[in-house]
Amino acid sequence: NAGVMQNPRHLVRRRGQEARLRCSPMKGHSHVYWYRQLPEEGLKFMVYLQKENIIDESGMPKERFSAEFPKEGPSILRIQQVVRGDSAAYFCASSPWEGKSSGNTIYFGEGSWLTVV
Amino acid sequence: ELKVEQNPLFLSMQEGKNYTIYCNYSTTSDRLYWYRQDPGKSLESLFVLLSNGAVKQEGRLMASLDTKARLSTLHITAAVHDLSATYFCAGGVYGGSQGNLIFGKGTKLSVKP
Repeated sequence: NAGVMQNPRHLVRRRGQEARLRCSPMKGHSHVYWYRQLPEEGLKFMVYLQKENIIDESGMPKERFSAEFPKEGPSILRIQQVVRGDSAAYFCASSPWEGKSSGNTIYFGEGSWLTVV
Repeated sequence: ELKVEQNPLFLSMQEGKNYTIYCNYSTTSDRLYWYRQDPGKSLESLFVLLSNGAVKQEGRLMASLDTKARLSTLHITAAVHDLSATYFCAGGVYGGSQGNLIFGKGTKLSVKP
């Protein structure tokens, strides 16, 4: 059973370009989350999606960042006009829907490391 | 606003010794997670703690939760080199969405022979 799959693992972009990060959740999981990790920091929640719906985007920067999880295909985190401060590791995670009280494990992918030069 | 603080942030210990990592959180949280991260790798789920007094153990690691003190601990027994990694605790935002976790800054553990 494959885990959470992210690609690309490493991405280099010049300032002003666009970055697209893709995430396929674990089989049977319909809930996807994106987190960002800056060097030597913990992870920060960005967005929570279900198929075709954004459930919670309270952690998303207001500009340049967007996320989607279409009916078919992977979830995509898109960063437009990247700046040096966007350099970070972006982790995708997924879980089945069993409710918070069930103690769902949230499984993380191996991350996509974005470097903006 | 939920804040999660871990201490220590750096921990160097000898093989065979015991130690505890502490995770304090500022307001009510409905779930507490512990994760392990090796350099350049993903986060591996260790424990999910839901209720006051919850204790879970896996190998040399044991996690507990005291919701009244807003404290979780990760206890390491007889450390071995393979446990060297960064350990994160994360709290679920009470009333927040399922995946909205607030992470601590991590405790970088180095186990030396």
